[in-house]
Amino acid sequence: NAGVTQTPKFRVLKTGQSMTLLCAQDMNHEYMYWYRQDPGMGLRLIHYSVGEGTTAKGEVPDGYNVSRLKKQNFLLGLESAAPSQTSVYFCASSYTGTLNTGELFFGEGSRLTVL
Amino acid sequence: KQEVTQIPAALSVPEGENLVLNCSFTDSAIYNLQWFRQDPGKGLTSLLLIQSSQREQTSGRLNASLDKSSGRSTLYIAASQPGDSATYLCAVRTGGFKTIFGAGTRLFVKA
Repeated sequence: NAGVTQTPKFRVLKTGQSMTLLCAQDMNHEYMYWYRQDPGMGLRLIHYSVGEGTTAKGEVPDGYNVSRLKKQNFLLGLESAAPSQTSVYFCASSYTGTLNTGELFFGEGSRLTVL
Repeated sequence: KQEVTQIPAALSVPEGENLVLNCSFTDSAIYNLQWFRQDPGKGLTSLLLIQSSQREQTSGRLNASLDKSSGRSTLYIAASQPGDSATYLCAVRTGGFKTIFGAGTRLFVKA
């Protein structure tokens, strides 16, 4: 019963490097989200997806790109990492349907440090 | 623009005490409100979810209430235990697909 799984859990990058965070969910959820969590600021939505092949911008999308090629996977990419992107990144998913409660399920987080 | 505020930012109580965590939001047009627990270095664990049409939800020693008209929710923890020590986050889902989070209340329960 994996739920939402994020890889990698830790990563250190140098400024200007690129990387991709992978989120996988096994609950057949339609909606998936990427958040970042910074001290004292709560969680902020970066991008989200309401279904396979669709993505949309959240509150803080600049510097990030996403893709949802398969329903169970949601990828977050950093093309040219900056120190301001040092953060903990969380993926979440939620169900939709006639019994939609909108409950969010979170992964364990990916801690990214950009030097 | 929806804003979510949690007071206090930190709270320390002796074991066994009943306590209340507060969450306020600025726009009453919400879809649901969810309370989460976050342990250090871990992800968010859902505790309770209240739909906009509901007034409260209960799970074990936890009770969450919702008053949309006043823009408030409370999380009541009965007979607190050291294992309850964590950060508690309140999150409000708006009519779209966006969920706005409070900054959290860090709870420490002393043995």
